Amino acid sequence: SAVISQKPSRDICQRGTSLTIQCQVDSQVTMMFWYRQQPGQSLTLIATANQGSEATYESGFVIDKFPISRPNLTFSTLTVSNMSPEDSSIYLCSAGGQGTRTYEQYFGPGTRLTVT
Amino acid sequence: GENVEQHPSTLSVQEGDSAVIKCTYSDSASNYFPWYKQELGKRPQLIIDIRSNVGEKKDQRIAVTLNKTAKHFSLHITETQPEDSAVYFCAASTGRNAGKSTFGDGTTLTVKP
Repeated sequence: SAVISQKPSRDICQRGTSLTIQCQVDSQVTMMFWYRQQPGQSLTLIATANQGSEATYESGFVIDKFPISRPNLTFSTLTVSNMSPEDSSIYLCSAGGQGTRTYEQYFGPGTRLTVT
Repeated sequence: GENVEQHPSTLSVQEGDSAVIKCTYSDSASNYFPWYKQELGKRPQLIIDIRSNVGEKKDQRIAVTLNKTAKHFSLHITETQPEDSAVYFCAASTGRNAGKSTFGDGTTLTVKP
C-alpha cells in the first residue's frame, strides 16, 4: 500500500489568511485526491489533483478558494485561501492507482485546520 | 452523480457478537466497493473491498457481500472485539486507476466488553 504523509499535521490560522497543505506519497501513483472531513462526519471530495494540469473540482468547490498543484506523480498541495471559520475542518490527501493495485485508495493522516 | 446510503448510523454489540453494516448505491456504473475503518483522530484505513464481478469476499473475521442487481453491499464482522470499535465507511467507485469514491455517512460501531 502507498504510504502518504501530510504537512502540517495541524494549524491554527487567522481569518483572511491562506494555508498550503503538502501531501507526499512514497511511490508513484496515478490518482491523488483532496477530501474534507468535519468532525464526526463523512468525507467530502474537494477535487482530483491531475498531474501537469488543472485540478478537477467537485460541485461546491472552486479553484480560487482551493487552488491545487500536482507537479509530479508523488506530490500535491492544497491551499485554503482567504480562510473563514467555516473552513475549520480536517483536510485529507488520498492517493491510489499504484502498480497492480489500481483500484485501491489510501489516505494521509490529515491536516486539522482551525480558523479563528 | 453517485449517492451512497449507509445504515445504521450507530451500532452497539456485545463482544463476540456479529455486526452488519449495509450500504446502497445509485450509480449502476460503480464497480468497486471499499470499506474503511476510522479510529478516533486517525486516518481512514482500507479494511476490505470487493469488485463488481464478485459476490462475496472474506478476510478472517470480516466479509463483504455485494448484490449488484439490488445495488447494495454489506460489511459483516464476526466475533467482534473491543478493538473493532470505530467508525466504518462504505464507498462506491467507478473505473480503474482508483477512480474517485463516494462515501457513505459512516457507522459508529461500539463493541462492549
